[in-house]
Amino acid sequence: SAVISQKPSRDICQRGTSLTIQCQVDSQVTMMFWYRQQPGQSLTLIATANQGSEATYESGFVIDKFPISRPNLTFSTLTVSNMSPEDSSIYLCSVSFGQGGYEQYFGPGTRLTVT
Amino acid sequence: EDKVVQSPLSLVVHEGDTVTLNCSYEVTNFRSLLWYKQEKKAPTFLFMLTSSGIEKKSGRLSSILDKKELFSILNITATQTGDSAVYLCAVQYGGSQGNLIFGKGTKLSVKP
Repeated sequence: SAVISQKPSRDICQRGTSLTIQCQVDSQVTMMFWYRQQPGQSLTLIATANQGSEATYESGFVIDKFPISRPNLTFSTLTVSNMSPEDSSIYLCSVSFGQGGYEQYFGPGTRLTVT
Repeated sequence: EDKVVQSPLSLVVHEGDTVTLNCSYEVTNFRSLLWYKQEKKAPTFLFMLTSSGIEKKSGRLSSILDKKELFSILNITATQTGDSAVYLCAVQYGGSQGNLIFGKGTKLSVKP
């Protein structure tokens, strides 16, 4: 497994502003993932953050709205840009380990409220 | 369209009861099925299942996968109030390290 930390733990932001969420892992991992969990919903994958290349976004998510950085094998950031109240969610980063099937572990999450 | 369906969506039991949570899936390029417990924000990893018919156990929790019928169950015996949480089922798919499709979860409430 891994120890994953996220900052900030929570934030309240005004619409139209941007927030950058940081994810730090205590060991090197090839791939990191960013998820969103809207109120009362399950988790939805936003993108896969690959070290040394562009992030891969899922359908419905675009780089202009959710730019991702992955400067090294232990760190990634997700920015939520030009926020609206619909962006109020829990944002989670995760990492995976293993071969064949990959156990995936989640960070503690960032609770974002947009007013 | 790929999907993961959990049932029931919510469940209320009393301490000491045994519960069975269900997860069925229709996912192309299946790699594995994972169970998580979510109490506040972060899902906590419970099990990863890749082979049919092999039960995984951890204390009072156990899980098994049926790849022919495309479902998995999570059993919790002698439930305790600390088991109250949302239990998430996720299916991993795809090429290298894979991505996850989550079900909506089962909210379990264990009353004293």
